[in-house]
Amino acid sequence: QQQVKQSPQSLIVQKGGISIINCAYENTAFDYFPWYQQFPGKGPALLIAIRPDVSEKKEGRFTISFNKSAKQFSLHIMDSQPGDSATYFCAASVNKLIFGTGTRLQVFP
Amino acid sequence: NAGVTQTPKFRILKIGQSMTLQCTQDMNHNYMYWYRQDPGMGLKLIYYSVGAGITDKGEVPNGYNVSRSTTEDFPLRLELAAPSQTSVYFCASSSTGGPLHFGNGTRLTVT
Repeated sequence: QQQVKQSPQSLIVQKGGISIINCAYENTAFDYFPWYQQFPGKGPALLIAIRPDVSEKKEGRFTISFNKSAKQFSLHIMDSQPGDSATYFCAASVNKLIFGTGTRLQVFP
Repeated sequence: NAGVTQTPKFRILKIGQSMTLQCTQDMNHNYMYWYRQDPGMGLKLIYYSVGAGITDKGEVPNGYNVSRSTTEDFPLRLELAAPSQTSVYFCASSSTGGPLHFGNGTRLTVT
């Protein structure tokens, strides 16, 4: 009930391509779905977040797509850049955040 | 603006030793959290606090203790270190309904 399942574990994308990371959840009480970005040696930092009353949120090259009926949400990174190479975590919350297992993204020039 | 500060950055402990991981924030956030991060496992919540004097268990509290005597500080105590506690520990804080702000972590090895 409290799990958030994230895939893939790792992702290699060419510069300029689209990176897609998927997450699924079970607890329908979750009401906040953020994505965090983590660079080596640093703590995670909030990238973008969505609430379940909208199906999509876009901030620059980053988009969250949210499918409430399927209990799934995904992060799309358009025009991926080498500087986007990092580990990405999805999460879900009702009172406290439950994190997915992370996706290591590598963008090659 | 320091944000969330964790000390030490690295530590090696022998089995059975004890230590305290320090965390302080200067954003006047009510909420503070301790997570551990293991490869391929994401971040697991150890303990959290909604304000000074109030703490509660997260997903993986066994082997750890916390206290919250001030708004700024939220130390994590390991009493009898075990190899299973080898991990990277992150402290975070947030305002009510706000995003988590993480420190840069403490890498702990127990041998």
